[in-house]
Amino acid sequence: TQLLEQSPQFLSIQEGENLTVYCNSSSVFSSLQWYRQEPGEGPVLLVTVVTGGEVKKLKRLTFQFGDARKDSSLHITAAQPGDTGLYLCGNTNAGKSTFGDGTTLTVKP
Amino acid sequence: EAQVTQNPRYLITVTGKKLTVTCSQNMNHEYMSWYRQDPGLGLRQIYYSMNVEVTDKGDVPEGYKVSRKEKRNFPLILESPSPNQTSLYFCASSSSYEQYFGPGTRLTVT
Repeated sequence: TQLLEQSPQFLSIQEGENLTVYCNSSSVFSSLQWYRQEPGEGPVLLVTVVTGGEVKKLKRLTFQFGDARKDSSLHITAAQPGDTGLYLCGNTNAGKSTFGDGTTLTVKP
Repeated sequence: EAQVTQNPRYLITVTGKKLTVTCSQNMNHEYMSWYRQDPGLGLRQIYYSMNVEVTDKGDVPEGYKVSRKEKRNFPLILESPSPNQTSLYFCASSSSYEQYFGPGTRLTVT
């Protein structure tokens, strides 16, 4: 099983601050997905990155795929309390899936 | 509305009493999966299916069974549940690599 390591595990910040979450592996991935999960609910897909060096933006969220396709990052600008949740990176290949342990983000008003 | 549904959402049972958690998707996806999520252990894949009658083990298949007789349904069966199977379970479906998750089933085995 290909491993995905996420850091930090926990992050607590004030509203308006910026933050970056990392997803790293020693393996090369054909794609990586980022999901956000709220307590008591299933993960919801945010984005898929496919090409090495790719950058995708989703409002205040910026996702980047490393040039070697071994790592990815999620940057949130001016975080808001509504961004609070568990952020997961994952990979699925022909049905077989692996996920990082996630980053639990808390944004305080 | 495109969705993955799971039932029941909450279940408390006793050791050894067989149970089934149902999962259904209305997106005509080929792939379906079951996961369990535990504190400190993340989201781990139990079984997955590539199409009707085609299933394969994930990372933690012991103690679980699945079947895929129809494209839309992928039930998870616990023949003899044990307390270490107490967890939050998610079903997911996908057509490629982007998965759509159900709302989860919180199972407690006493």
